[in-house]
Amino acid sequence: GNSVTQMEGPVTLSEEAFLTINCTYTATGYPSLFWYVQYPGEGLQLLLKATKADDKGSNKGFEATYRKETTSFHLEKGSVQVSDSAVYFCALSGLNTDKLIFGTGTRLQVFP
Amino acid sequence: NAGVTQTPKFRILKIGQSMTLQCTQDMNHNYMYWYRQDPGMGLKLIYYSVGAGITDKGEVPNGYNVSRSTTEDFPLRLELAAPSQTSVYFCASSYSVGEETQYFGPGTRLLVL
Repeated sequence: GNSVTQMEGPVTLSEEAFLTINCTYTATGYPSLFWYVQYPGEGLQLLLKATKADDKGSNKGFEATYRKETTSFHLEKGSVQVSDSAVYFCALSGLNTDKLIFGTGTRLQVFP
Repeated sequence: NAGVTQTPKFRILKIGQSMTLQCTQDMNHNYMYWYRQDPGMGLKLIYYSVGAGITDKGEVPNGYNVSRSTTEDFPLRLELAAPSQTSVYFCASSYSVGEETQYFGPGTRLLVL
């Protein structure tokens, strides 16, 4: 079945450091891929998405590229801020399926 | 637009009590979902609905019930609360599926003692 694997957290960084959060997936066909972010005390919100191979999603300085050959969708940001501290979830949605499959989430903590 | 709203924000239940978690969306979305989030476990789908009058089970439906009488509302019912149902519950909605974004409510924190 479809599944998503994320690197375990927490990821602890200093402000302005480079961020990578790894995400790999298993799916039949060509799923759409998402990164959602959950700030403390809030619900999840979409950060970025990619719907086909080699697409790059980007938002708020974050980027992720849909790599079919490595079944990956790693999240990157060149210079993190304290305000980026949150939990990040990778997710996939198969073609014509009703459901999102989420990873377990990766907590990011950024210190000044 | 208010988006997806959930009530209550927090509730303490005794074992065996019942309650309904409310969820309303004002985006005219066909699809609605209920998830639970346990620490370190990500989100698990409890129930979902593809339109008014249509519901289906997700990954962890035991101990819960839902109904969808209108497009806007998708309440989640706990009939006999158990400590294992202590969790944070999120409602979400989307216009369609596949590449469509899901919009989440702020969550309901439930503690069963």
